Amino acid sequence: DIVMTQSPDSLAVSLGERATVNCKSSQSVLYSSNNKNYLAWYQQKPGQAPKLLISWASTRESGVPDRFSGSGSATDFTLTISSLQAEDVALYYCQQYYATPTTFGQGTRLEI
Amino acid sequence: EVQLVESGGGLVQPGRSLRLSCSPSGFTFGDYAVGWFRQAPGKGLEWLGFIRSKTYGGAPEYAASVKDRFTISRDDSKSIAFLQMNSLKSEDTAIYYCTRVSSVATDLYDYWGQGTLVTVSS
Repeated sequence: DIVMTQSPDSLAVSLGERATVNCKSSQSVLYSSNNKNYLAWYQQKPGQAPKLLISWASTRESGVPDRFSGSGSATDFTLTISSLQAEDVALYYCQQYYATPTTFGQGTRLEI
Repeated sequence: EVQLVESGGGLVQPGRSLRLSCSPSGFTFGDYAVGWFRQAPGKGLEWLGFIRSKTYGGAPEYAASVKDRFTISRDDSKSIAFLQMNSLKSEDTAIYYCTRVSSVATDLYDYWGQGTLVTVSS
């Protein structure tokens, strides 16, 4: 199975500041035939279900604010929140969907 | 609006069985695969499996950890999916989520239900 490792485990950022979450996969999730990274980011607010934020490493889902961005390729990925808002307090998970079983990182807790 | 609603959770004794249901709305259920996840208290997300749409054969895939005890099925005529859980153990205590598999990639889960809590305890 592909192991996903996030860093840090928790992060405290001031309102309006930048937050960065890293994700590393144990093997490449870049599919060479279509040059796509099979990497997604999810947000889970307290007491809620996860919500898909970003797919293909950098494609925001409809309705996701543009302060959220994803970058990276192959084995190293980053989720960036450019200007932290109070409503961004949540757990953030990366997920590889390159191979079954799909696997998630352990989560990064983002606090103000 | 796409929604998925899980039901059937509750308190169950170790060794017993439980069947969870997933009732979707806001999309054509038969056109999509459906996945199941769980999240133990204070823990991360664990994929349990998914079932393909009939267009892709309708076959399920399972995580190795539950393959021998859990069964995923669907009834497209009633627009409902199920997770049958047998021989339940205390470590199966978790919130169970039903999800829709995105049309653009297997194992990309674009909508999630609110979850149903399963507690396995005597």
